[in-house]
Amino acid sequence: AQRVTQPEKLLSVLKGAPVELKCNYSYSGSPELFWYVQYSRQRLQLLLRHISRESIKGFTADLNKGETSFHLKKPFAQEEDSAMYYCALSQDGGATNKLIFGTGTLLAVQP
Amino acid sequence: DGGITQSPKYLFRKEGQNVTLSCEQNLNHDAMYWYRQDPGQGLRLIYYSQIVNDFQKGDIAEGYSVSREKKESFPLTVTSAQKNPTAFYLCASSIAGLHTNTEAFFGQGTRLTVV
Repeated sequence: AQRVTQPEKLLSVLKGAPVELKCNYSYSGSPELFWYVQYSRQRLQLLLRHISRESIKGFTADLNKGETSFHLKKPFAQEEDSAMYYCALSQDGGATNKLIFGTGTLLAVQP
Repeated sequence: DGGITQSPKYLFRKEGQNVTLSCEQNLNHDAMYWYRQDPGQGLRLIYYSQIVNDFQKGDIAEGYSVSREKKESFPLTVTSAQKNPTAFYLCASSIAGLHTNTEAFFGQGTRLTVV
């Protein structure tokens, strides 16, 4: 079965500390994975996608097929990073935006 | 102002009534999607449409219906057959066709409460 698991509901870190938001997936084919973010009072928006191998706002995410993980990392957290983060998996290998979302992790960066 | 607009922001419905949620986009996107979000759960796909006059059921389509008569619009009707309609509903749109891994643009959402 296709599934996305985000084990942490809340992650609280101090400003300047490293951040790792965990995401594990279950998918039989070649996965296409995304991280979406929702800042306070803003709409859900794409943060990054694994195929682009990009770094957005200092965040990176590496696909580890052996561990079926796509953890989101940032070396030094900023207060403006506080938001809800969702890991998402394309149901059809990226052909559409039929996505399976994890339950989300609320990141709180303390000053 | 380009984007995807959902209305209303808050909606109250009596049990047994159908209600329609509006979703409009001016991004010239072919594909549109409806997701439902419940507390403590991720978003779940209700219906999607890759082109005008065509749509498919998602993972939790029972009790819902949609139409796609215009490229810009993808309204969702929550029928009386939906057993637990109280939820937050999100509409999204994206490029379709040969493109892959395109970004989904989301609306601000509609919070539906059954009273």
